[in-house]
Amino acid sequence: GQNIDQPTEMTATEGAIVQINCTYQTSGFNGLFWYQQHAGEAPTFLSYNVLDGLEEKGRFSSFLSRSKGYSYLLLKELQMKDSASYLCAATDSNYQLIWGAGTKLIIKP
Amino acid sequence: GAVVSQHPSWVICKSGTSVKIECRSLDFQATTMFWYRQFPKQSLMLMATSNEGSKATYEQGVEKDKFLINHASLTLSTLTVTSAHPEDSSFYICSANIAGRSYNEQFFGPGTRLTVL
Repeated sequence: GQNIDQPTEMTATEGAIVQINCTYQTSGFNGLFWYQQHAGEAPTFLSYNVLDGLEEKGRFSSFLSRSKGYSYLLLKELQMKDSASYLCAATDSNYQLIWGAGTKLIIKP
Repeated sequence: GAVVSQHPSWVICKSGTSVKIECRSLDFQATTMFWYRQFPKQSLMLMATSNEGSKATYEQGVEKDKFLINHASLTLSTLTVTSAHPEDSSFYICSANIAGRSYNEQFFGPGTRLTVL
């Protein structure tokens, strides 16, 4: 079957760095998305990886290893506004998104 | 660009009534629109995939006669919750792909919070 695993919840300190991991098993693979979702709001796009390696975008970076079925989202210089859920979603051979349950990130002062 | 709107933002209705939620792509054409439901503190649950001009594809366990989806144009899809009950209270979110794009980034609407009394 198809499956996405990511931690349920993580806690980090303002100004620090946090890495949110995601492992996936899909029928075929056509890329992986990370979305941010604040409570009561819809998800917003953060990143898309289809090739191995690190994609950096400001304070956020996303890494992919296709051979390992693994990705991570790295958040640097954490700010209180980064408190949110982070959703990992892999695209299968039919270009359908398979969603993880999300990682709730709690930032403490 | 790539803005998706939903209407209404929130709705409160009595049990047994029907509620229609609209999803519009404002500045692009969307060949495919998706309808999700999200209960408090849970992840997104895909309800159905809607393609313009054809019948929606429903996920397992989602009643197609209860959740009616119409995708009449490349910019509009509607979800009607028929005979709503309190257990249908949830956050309903739509998303859309941009027609012709090589990868399927989904652009999300702001969501509709449905409360059934």
